[in-house]
Amino acid sequence: GIQVEQSPPDLILQEGANSTLRCNFSDSVNNLQWFHQNPWGQLINLFYIPSGTKQNGRLSATTVATERYSLLYISSSQTTDSGVYFCAVIYGQNFVFGPGTRLSVLP
Amino acid sequence: DTEVTQTPKHLVMGMTNKKSLKCEQHMGHRAMYWYKQKAKKPPELMFVYSYEKLSINESVPSRFSPECPNSSLLNLHLHALQPEDSALYLCASSSRFSGRIDTQYFGPGTRLTVL
Repeated sequence: GIQVEQSPPDLILQEGANSTLRCNFSDSVNNLQWFHQNPWGQLINLFYIPSGTKQNGRLSATTVATERYSLLYISSSQTTDSGVYFCAVIYGQNFVFGPGTRLSVLP
Repeated sequence: DTEVTQTPKHLVMGMTNKKSLKCEQHMGHRAMYWYKQKAKKPPELMFVYSYEKLSINESVPSRFSPECPNSSLLNLHLHALQPEDSALYLCASSSRFSGRIDTQYFGPGTRLTVL
């Protein structure tokens, strides 16, 4: 089956810093989503991005499908950005999550 | 409105109990999903319903029994669970599932503890 990797596994930032999260996948995929899971467990849909670049406020994402990776950029981080960031790929009829990047933003 | 609701938020049950988890969406989505998430792990797909019919069952034990009574509702019936079934159970919906999964929207989850 497909392998989905995320890096780094853990990230600690000072408020106001920028960061880049990476998602690599081992095979061609139909699509890719980025999620933020807050400390209460809610999964929030950030981007649905099969290819190209999208931006939403302080967040942006880029997927290069031909090279099998996606990047999530967080600028001017805030404490409310803390939580786990998952990428998930749509592979055939399966929806496979990566292991996540745990982000802590310190005040 | 991109809201998926789940009840209850928390559930504690014994191994001989029967309980149900409920999920509801009013976005007109025709695909609904159940996921299980253990602590510090990503969610794992359990079931997919498309147009109220079960499309995918990821080899889930029969003590978990899904039901989709109509296009807005999804239930997960629980019976004779084991302590290792304790987890966060997430429901999601998407506009369609026609052989591939579309953008998914998740509910807040039910945190289940089996004693």
